[in-house]
Amino acid sequence: GENVEQHPSTLSVQEGDSAVIKCTYSDSASNYFPWYKQELGKRPQLIIDIRSNVGEKKDQRIAVTLNKTAKHFSLHITETQPEDSAVYFCAASRASGTASKLTFGTGTRLQVTL
Amino acid sequence: GAVVSQHPSRVICKSGTSVKIECRSLDFQATTMFWYRQFPKKSLMLMATSNEGSKATYEQGVEKDKFLINHASLTLSTLTVTSAHPEDSSFYICSADQLGGVQFFGPGTRLTVL
Repeated sequence: GENVEQHPSTLSVQEGDSAVIKCTYSDSASNYFPWYKQELGKRPQLIIDIRSNVGEKKDQRIAVTLNKTAKHFSLHITETQPEDSAVYFCAASRASGTASKLTFGTGTRLQVTL
Repeated sequence: GAVVSQHPSRVICKSGTSVKIECRSLDFQATTMFWYRQFPKKSLMLMATSNEGSKATYEQGVEKDKFLINHASLTLSTLTVTSAHPEDSSFYICSADQLGGVQFFGPGTRLTVL
């Protein structure tokens, strides 16, 4: 089955700096890669996703890059703000017309300090 | 994004009792829902895939007789933890697949078994 590794496990940045979180996956057939943000005690919220036919996607301060050859994808947050502090999870799946299960990474705890 | 609700948000029960958790997709129909379990400071672990009108598919190591899943309609899936024990205490989260692998999560249920 799919295996997703995520690094780093914790990340501390100063407000205004950039943060980068990296994930690798094992299943070359995986084609959908979402990123979720989870605040303490809350539900994971989808913040951005990318499919295998695209190499990069951007939404305001958040961007995701995908390297299919190397089987890794990364989340980039620019101009970080204190409200970006949370746990971020990457995931991978073989998405098709029907539902597909996600395999999650182990999470990255991001702390944005003033 | 799509809205998924979950009820109850918290439950405390005595050891040996059963607890039912409901997951509803409020603004779309979900043929497939997923049930996850999350321990403190850990990632989401998929327990089972809930399919409307058919039996759930359980992940390896998850006891189907202990974690009963019913997906009676396109908007409702239930998870019943039978004969709960303290080791079952956890954060249980459902998700609903909207289209193409995109999953939206419910707010979670924190179960405490005394």
